[in-house]
Amino acid sequence: DQQVKQNSPSLSVQEGRISILNCDYTNSMFDYFLWYKKYPAEGPTFLISISSIKDKNEDGRFTVFLNKSAKHLSLHIVPSQPGDSAVYFCAALTYDKVIFGPGTSLSVIP
Amino acid sequence: GAVVSQHPSWVICKSGTSVKIECRSLDFQATTMFWYRQFPKQSLMLMATSNEGSKATYEQGVEKDKFLINHASLTLSTLTVTSAHPEDSSFYICSARPLQGSGYTGELFFGEGSRLTVL
Repeated sequence: DQQVKQNSPSLSVQEGRISILNCDYTNSMFDYFLWYKKYPAEGPTFLISISSIKDKNEDGRFTVFLNKSAKHLSLHIVPSQPGDSAVYFCAALTYDKVIFGPGTSLSVIP
Repeated sequence: GAVVSQHPSWVICKSGTSVKIECRSLDFQATTMFWYRQFPKQSLMLMATSNEGSKATYEQGVEKDKFLINHASLTLSTLTVTSAHPEDSSFYICSARPLQGSGYTGELFFGEGSRLTVL
């Protein structure tokens, strides 16, 4: 049973446009949500987080939106750049457990 | 941001030998560290949660006698793959969660990963 889902395995976006990556979860006990970016053969790089008590968090080009009633979060990247091409994982945390989604591979086309 | 260092980055060993991978938080203390394994083109699979001063909590299906985890201090956790076999070849990643009150709001910080190849 997948507790964290990223239903789009891949996404292609033109440079300069908005990239929207989606994530759905099933467990209402998660208290934090995180987004990570990962290049091949490297550890994930933390991007942005959001507490379950908030509905939006913004950091530069990255904004995360949380819709608790729908158990859905999304990561917006504006404007998208070729260097953003990577696999993006969302993760959901309780105090002692972290669950990762399967990832979405983003390609930003110059 | 905080830094987590993993060592070694690459390791090649013969079948039947044991390999130790270290995970260090360089500028913060962490009571909890996590160990993951990633197969090619797959997501990160949580193997175990490592708590300083106590036994690790292993996920279902992970052999605790094969993957020994020690969290001896607030800045160091080690994963030892015992009697490694080719099927243990993988990319192992650790993460650390800073102590509450340290200024980090629920974030996890990841090491660079360690690629293990068992011949």
